[in-house]
Amino acid sequence: GAVVSQHPSWVICKSGTSVKIECRSLDFQATTMFWYRQFPKQSLMLMATSNEGSKATYEQGVEKDKFLINHASLTLSTLTVTSAHPEDSSFYICSAPPGLTRAGVYEQYFGPGTRLTVT
Amino acid sequence: GENVEQHPSTLSVQEGDSAVIKCTYSDSASNYFPWYKQELGKRPQLIIDIRSNVGEKKDQRIAVTLNKTAKHFSLHITETQPEDSAVYFCAASPTSGTYKYIFGTGTRLKVLA
Repeated sequence: GAVVSQHPSWVICKSGTSVKIECRSLDFQATTMFWYRQFPKQSLMLMATSNEGSKATYEQGVEKDKFLINHASLTLSTLTVTSAHPEDSSFYICSAPPGLTRAGVYEQYFGPGTRLTVT
Repeated sequence: GENVEQHPSTLSVQEGDSAVIKCTYSDSASNYFPWYKQELGKRPQLIIDIRSNVGEKKDQRIAVTLNKTAKHFSLHITETQPEDSAVYFCAASPTSGTYKYIFGTGTRLKVLA
């Protein structure tokens, strides 16, 4: 089945530094990937849609200059949290749709997530 | 845009009893409704889904019902087991073909042995 990986699985950084998170589709090509943020005991909040070969589409309220997204190839999207602050500490999850796996079904496959802690 | 509400936020049931989680959505154009189970620190796992042209779908102990007119859908788990304890999220896909999901707020299910 479709597999999505993320790297790193966890990272601790100091305030003011930048952190890059990678999301890879391992056995399929993904022209679109999604980035979610999940705070403890809360839901997954869609941050942005990453599009291969074009600019990402950000959800309302998400700062595009702070959360830089680059969809460099059909199997790799990166999220860079710039000038990180403690309030950016969260669980970041990416997902990718491998296309129509069943007639009319738009499944997504989720990465394992990256836990970011900003000190 | 799409808004998905989910109830209850927490649910405790005795082992063997049934659990029901309900979601409502706002965008009548949404046509795909997956349910995910998430254990602490792990990725969400798809457990069942339903398309808008179907009213009910069942997979062993899990079933989902959809009422398009009322714009609500529900997850039913029968004969609950301790390993069913997790957080469950519903989601709606608001625009056909975009794969974009809007998630509900989640339900923490605890099955008491």
